Amino acid sequence: AQKVTQAQTEISVVEKEDVTLDCVYETRDTTYYLFWYKQPPSGELVFLIRRNSFDEQNEISGRYSWNFQKSTSSFNFTITASQVVDSAVYFCALKYTGANSKLTFGKGITLSVRP
Amino acid sequence: GAVVSQHPSWVICKSGTSVKIECRSLDFQATTMFWYRQFPKQSLMLMATSNEGSKATYEQGVEKDKFLINHASLTLSTLTVTSAHPEDSSFYICSPFLEREAFFGQGTRLTVV
Repeated sequence: AQKVTQAQTEISVVEKEDVTLDCVYETRDTTYYLFWYKQPPSGELVFLIRRNSFDEQNEISGRYSWNFQKSTSSFNFTITASQVVDSAVYFCALKYTGANSKLTFGKGITLSVRP
Repeated sequence: GAVVSQHPSWVICKSGTSVKIECRSLDFQATTMFWYRQFPKQSLMLMATSNEGSKATYEQGVEKDKFLINHASLTLSTLTVTSAHPEDSSFYICSPFLEREAFFGQGTRLTVV
């Protein structure tokens, strides 16, 4: 069975602060993919990143960075110098490799960035 | 990434009526489509998996007679909410199966009054 835990439910920061969103996962599969999505109030899911289980390199994309650590089964997401437009719900998700494999989502973290 | 078009983006219907939601894959063929449901302030939960040319499979607790899924072609899957009730008000979103990726339609916000 797979499980994704996003222990933080709501985070509120002031603009320009850095913020880290935590994600811990459980899976018995050796090959899997991890994702982060942003869901603004409009509802659509905006893809942010995909990482496969064999690639533990951290990634940076502009103000966004991700820290993948298999040893602790974590895939944390950091926003540097947060902006009001970053306010949204952020989901971490897990998918194993295989036919018809579905995504298992965490409960999501509501991030509010105040001006 | 793969383009998935979902319509309508929002719908308001009266209790007891049926609503059809369409999900089209525009630039690839989707043999399998996942349908997720998201209640307010909750996460996305898989409702059912549709497979082209065969019956859909439903997750535990999802009424297959209420949520009719049709996947008649490789580019179109539909979800019909039959005899809708206010408790069916939710955000419904589709996602085609892809080996390494996971893309989504724009979602449909259903409100039953």
